[in-house]
Amino acid sequence: GAVVSQHPSRVICKSGTSVKIECRSLDFQATTMFWYRQFPKQSLMLMATSNEGSKATYEQGVEKDKFLINHASLTLSTLTVTSAHPEDSSFYICSARGRSEAFFGQGTRLTVV
Amino acid sequence: AQSVAQPEDQVNVAEGNPLTVKCTYSVSGNPYLFWYVQYPNRGLQFLLKYITGDNLVKGSYGFEAEFNKSQTSFHLKKPSALVSDSALYFCAVRDGGATNKLIFGTGTLLAVQP
Repeated sequence: GAVVSQHPSRVICKSGTSVKIECRSLDFQATTMFWYRQFPKQSLMLMATSNEGSKATYEQGVEKDKFLINHASLTLSTLTVTSAHPEDSSFYICSARGRSEAFFGQGTRLTVV
Repeated sequence: AQSVAQPEDQVNVAEGNPLTVKCTYSVSGNPYLFWYVQYPNRGLQFLLKYITGDNLVKGSYGFEAEFNKSQTSFHLKKPSALVSDSALYFCAVRDGGATNKLIFGTGTLLAVQP
C-alpha cells in the first residue's frame, strides 16, 4: 500500500525554539494532507488541512501563526511549531489522502522542555 | 455533521476468543466508514473500509466489519483474537465536504490476554 513518511519520529526542543516536522508521500502524489494532534489516551484532533500550492485550512481554535503549514509540492507538507512551549508537547500525526483512503505517517513525539 | 461514536474505552478478550469493537455512526447521505489501528507511539494503519456493496467487509490481519444501516453501526470483528492484536482501534467517517477529511471516534483500547 501507499507509504507516508514522517520525520522526525521524536524531537526534544527548548521552550521558545521552533520545530519543523516533515510529511512525505513516498509513492503517490498528495494534493491534500492533514495534520493531527493526539493527546495521551485520546483521539486524533484535526489541526489543519494542507493544500498543495495554497494556504492551509485551519480548524477552529488552532493558531495558524503558531502552527505553520507549508505544502510546497505534491509529496511534501511541513508543520512548524513556532516558539514552542511545554503545552505544545504532544504526538503529531500527518496523513495524506490517496485515491480512496487516507494513509498516515508514523507520528512525531514532540517534547518541549 | 458526520460523526462516529465508540462506546467502549476498552475491550478485554482472551486469546483465541472472538472480539468485537463497537462503532456507531451518524451521517447525512451515504456513509464512508473506516477502521484504523494504532500501536504505541506509531501512526495509524488502515484496516478496512466500507464505501458501498457488501455489508460484510474483510480487511487486514483477519479483521472484518459489518455495516448495518438499520442500526447505524459498523462494528469491527475478528473470529479469534491474538495477543498481538492488542492496540488502539479507531473508527472513522469521511466528511462529505470538499476536503473529505476523516472524523475519528474516541478510540477503543483492545487488550488481548494470553
